[in-house]
Amino acid sequence: GQNIDQPTEMTATEGAIVQINCTYQTSGFNGLFWYQQHAGEAPTFLSYNVLDGLEEKGRFSSFLSRSKGYSYLLLKELQMKDSASYLCAVLDSNYQLIWGAGTKLIIKP
Amino acid sequence: GAVVSQHPSRVICKSGTSVKIECRSLDFQATTMFWYRQFPKKSLMLMATSNEGSKATYEQGVEKDKFLINHASLTLSTLTVTSAHPEDSSFYICSARDAERGDSYEQYFGPGTRLTVT
Repeated sequence: GQNIDQPTEMTATEGAIVQINCTYQTSGFNGLFWYQQHAGEAPTFLSYNVLDGLEEKGRFSSFLSRSKGYSYLLLKELQMKDSASYLCAVLDSNYQLIWGAGTKLIIKP
Repeated sequence: GAVVSQHPSRVICKSGTSVKIECRSLDFQATTMFWYRQFPKKSLMLMATSNEGSKATYEQGVEKDKFLINHASLTLSTLTVTSAHPEDSSFYICSARDAERGDSYEQYFGPGTRLTVT
């Protein structure tokens, strides 16, 4: 079967750095997405990785290792507005998005 | 760019009635739209994939006669929940892919519709 694992919840302090991990086992791989979702709102796109390595975009970076079936989202200089759920999703061999359950990130002052 | 709207944002209906939810791509054409359902503190569950001008492809376990999907144009898809029951209460989200960006599989999401069936 297809499976994507993320921690259910994480807590971090304002101004700090947090890394959210995602491991996946899917039938084929055509890329991995990270989305941010605030409570009661729709997900918004953060990043897309299809090749191994680190992609940096401002305070957010995303890393991929295809051989390990692993990705992480790194958030720097955390702000209170970063409190949200972070969804990892993999594009499988049929180009269908398989979603993780999401990681709820709580930022404390 | 790449804005998707949904209407209504919230709807309360009585058990046994039908509810229609609209999903529109405002500044791009979407040959493919997706309908998701999300339960509290759970991830997105894909219900169906909707292609303009053809029948929707439903995921296993989703009743096609209960959740009617119509994708009549490149900017509009509708989801009708027929004979709604309290267990259909959920957050329904649509998303769309930009037809002009055939090499991109990024999905642009609508703001969601909160359905409550009493």
